Amino acid sequence: NAGVTQTPKFQVLKTGQSMTLQCAQDMNHNSMYWYRQDPGMGLRLIYYSASEGTTDKGEVPNGYNVSRLNKREFSLRLESAAPSQTSVYFCASRRAWNYGYTFGSGTRLTVV
Amino acid sequence: EDKVVQSPLSLVVHEGDTVTLNCSYEVTNFRSLLWYKQEKKAPTFLFMLTSSGIEKKSGRLSSILDKKELFSILNITATQTGDSAIYLCAVEALSGTSYGKLTFGQGTILTVHP
Repeated sequence: NAGVTQTPKFQVLKTGQSMTLQCAQDMNHNSMYWYRQDPGMGLRLIYYSASEGTTDKGEVPNGYNVSRLNKREFSLRLESAAPSQTSVYFCASRRAWNYGYTFGSGTRLTVV
Repeated sequence: EDKVVQSPLSLVVHEGDTVTLNCSYEVTNFRSLLWYKQEKKAPTFLFMLTSSGIEKKSGRLSSILDKKELFSILNITATQTGDSAIYLCAVEALSGTSYGKLTFGQGTILTVHP
């Protein structure tokens, strides 16, 4: 009963490097989301995918791209990492609007 | 712009105390309000509220929504050290054809001392 699985759990990047954060859910949920969490700012939505084949920008999309590879997987890519992208990243999924969101355990990313 | 404000930002109590956490919001096309508990890692779901005046309850935790005054409270009675966590309030709004996006508050850091 894995739920939402994120990889990697920790990552250190140099400014300008690229990387992809992976997220997979095994609950057959339609919607998937990427959030970042910074101290004192709660969680902020980066991108979301309401269903397979669709993606939309959230509150803070600049510097990120996403791919909804299939119903299970939703990846987040940083093309050219910047120190301002140092954060904890959470992936979440949801079955339908009247259900709560299930979060992954997070990826702690540091950009130096 | 949708906005969610939680208060207090932090709270320190002793075991057995009762606490009330507040969440006020300003959103267009309100759909639901959700409460999450975050310990070391992922937020875990507590409650979803969609209707005004109906209390949701789970053990020592309860929550109620006031859609007229645009706020919600989360009550925890007989607090335990295991209740120490960040409590997050989030509001979901509909936006055009968008499925529904959550806006989170800053969170309330609750510390329960033995």
